[in-house]
Amino acid sequence: GAGVSQSPRYKVAKRGQDVALRCDPISGHVSLFWYQQALGQGPEFLTYFQNEAQLDKSGLPSDRFFAERPEGSVSTLKIQRTQQEDSAVYLCASSLLDEQYFGPGTRLTVT
Amino acid sequence: QQQVKQSPQSLIVQKGGISIINCAYENTAFDYFPWYQQFPGKGPALLIAIRPDVSEKKEGRFTISFNKSAKQFSLHIMDSQPGDSATYFCAASHPLDSSYKLIFGSGTRLLVRP
Repeated sequence: GAGVSQSPRYKVAKRGQDVALRCDPISGHVSLFWYQQALGQGPEFLTYFQNEAQLDKSGLPSDRFFAERPEGSVSTLKIQRTQQEDSAVYLCASSLLDEQYFGPGTRLTVT
Repeated sequence: QQQVKQSPQSLIVQKGGISIINCAYENTAFDYFPWYQQFPGKGPALLIAIRPDVSEKKEGRFTISFNKSAKQFSLHIMDSQPGDSATYFCAASHPLDSSYKLIFGSGTRLLVRP
């Protein structure tokens, strides 16, 4: 079956632009996670959904970051007024139980 | 605060050798410890995972050793191959955290020389 897919794979944004990153989880997976991975570092948690409910957004670095999963499947991570420090790979993962399966990520470069 | 410390940062092993990567944790509430493999330009892929009720788990050439009293766990890659060259991350999560988010180590870049 299909794994987690993310789009776009690469995004270049000028500082101050808004961006939207999409995640299609594995079908039937209740849980969905967003992580941020800086170059040469391990992924860091941003936010978590159980179905359509956002149960944990403690990792979102600022109020410029917003995530939604309105129908409990596809999720969008939105970053408003992008800054250079937002440049990173944004990873989405989905799970049914313990095991989290990651997508290929979206590499965001803010110039 | 880094809750999962991983070492070494990089590792070079000859083909056929054993690669060993170590992780230490502080939070005794952690109860799930996965290892992920990541190739450049790809997302992390789950390799193997363990819970604290066992001291060792083996899947093919990959083995996790777990030492609950020392709060340490390690990944052993037997008969290492050039195709194993990648970055490896340990991680942990705990049931008291309702999100079951993973806390990752900083990664180990493994190079297996032919």
